[in-house]
Amino acid sequence: SAVISQKPSRDICQRGTSLTIQCQVDSQVTMMFWYRQQPGQSLTLIATANQGSEATYESGFVIDKFPISRPNLTFSTLTVSNMSPEDSSIYLCSVAGWLAGTDTQYFGPGTRLTVL
Amino acid sequence: QKEVEQNSGPLSVPEGAIASLNCTYSDRGSQSFFWYRQYSGKSPELIMSIYSNGDKEDGRFTAQLNKASQYVSLLIRDSQPSDSATYLCAVNSDYKLSFGAGTTVTVRA
Repeated sequence: SAVISQKPSRDICQRGTSLTIQCQVDSQVTMMFWYRQQPGQSLTLIATANQGSEATYESGFVIDKFPISRPNLTFSTLTVSNMSPEDSSIYLCSVAGWLAGTDTQYFGPGTRLTVL
Repeated sequence: QKEVEQNSGPLSVPEGAIASLNCTYSDRGSQSFFWYRQYSGKSPELIMSIYSNGDKEDGRFTAQLNKASQYVSLLIRDSQPSDSATYLCAVNSDYKLSFGAGTTVTVRA
């Protein structure tokens, strides 16, 4: 199966700053997704990262706050902009589409973000 | 995102017993269903996928799907302390996953 890595694994940031999270896959995948998991909560989809086009955002998430890049089939970044303590969460990327089951998603290890 | 509801936990079962987890979903057009296991501080790990009505078995895990009732379940047989985790039900609609809140399972030795 593909190996998915995320950088950084964790960070502590100050209010008002931005953090860019990287997601790297060791093989080409069709689809990449970004999720947020707030403390004690389940996963919420932020956006679908499309290669060669704009990301598709879910209701409640906007590009100005969470800009996403997808320059190729193995890499994506999520930026959390102008952070506030409410952005403290685990951010997870997932991938699908390199196996026959294109709708099966596999998750990276996550980035634990704390905003002070 | 579509609604996915799981039976509230936490669920405590003795070692060797069967743990039963339930999930209902709102989108009747959903075609694929998944169970993920998440250990504390870790990311979700896929343990089962199911696409057709009926049962699907994989080792000690059995997933059951009833599309007419919009219901999917997971049975863990011969529960082990290593099964203690949060189990997340996920439903795929248009290549997007909607997750339930999760059920935390504790297996008592």
